[in-house]
Amino acid sequence: AQKVTQAQTEISVVEKEDVTLDCVYETRDTTYYLFWYKQPPSGELVFLIRRNSFDEQNEISGRYSWNFQKSTSSFNFTITASQVVDSAVYFCALVRGSTLGRLYFGRGTQLTVWP
Amino acid sequence: GAGVSQSPRYKVAKRGQDVALRCDPISGHVSLFWYQQALGQGPEFLTYFQNEAQLDKSGLPSDRFFAERPEGSVSTLKIQRTQQEDSAVYLCASSLVRASGNNPYEQYFGPGTRLTVT
Repeated sequence: AQKVTQAQTEISVVEKEDVTLDCVYETRDTTYYLFWYKQPPSGELVFLIRRNSFDEQNEISGRYSWNFQKSTSSFNFTITASQVVDSAVYFCALVRGSTLGRLYFGRGTQLTVWP
Repeated sequence: GAGVSQSPRYKVAKRGQDVALRCDPISGHVSLFWYQQALGQGPEFLTYFQNEAQLDKSGLPSDRFFAERPEGSVSTLKIQRTQQEDSAVYLCASSLVRASGNNPYEQYFGPGTRLTVT
């Protein structure tokens, strides 16, 4: 079975703190893709990043960075110098190579950044 | 440019009523997905269309759920004889090309329809 686990239900930080959101996945597919989406209060899911299972290079985009480790089946997301606008629910998701591209989502982590 | 739009944004139905939820994908997008998001949960896949063809409906929870995309653009998700457990946000997403697990493109999501069954 394929599964995405986000163990942190809620995280609260104060502005300018760094915060890491954890994601652990499970799949038997050798080809798969991992995603992070942001869901602000408006409700629309916003795409943040896609990584494939053959590329373990970490990625940085501005204040965002992602750490992919196949050895621990983890794809963690770090926000550096958090801002109030980062407050949202963040979802980690998996696409199995053997499927038609459906996303398997974790339960999400509610991040609240206080001023 | 216009994103994915969904209507209505909110729907209240009495138990037993039929409802129809509409999704307007981004123009030209081949792939269309429906997801169901219960309160406090991540979205769960319902069904997938490539143009007008429904290629995967394995996530539909019962035969009360039916989806169509007759002309390969607008899609409608219909729920017959609604039950309280159908209360959720229904999300629609579209993607530019045909879906593939070997190279999945970004899915663009709409704002969702919040369905409350009383």
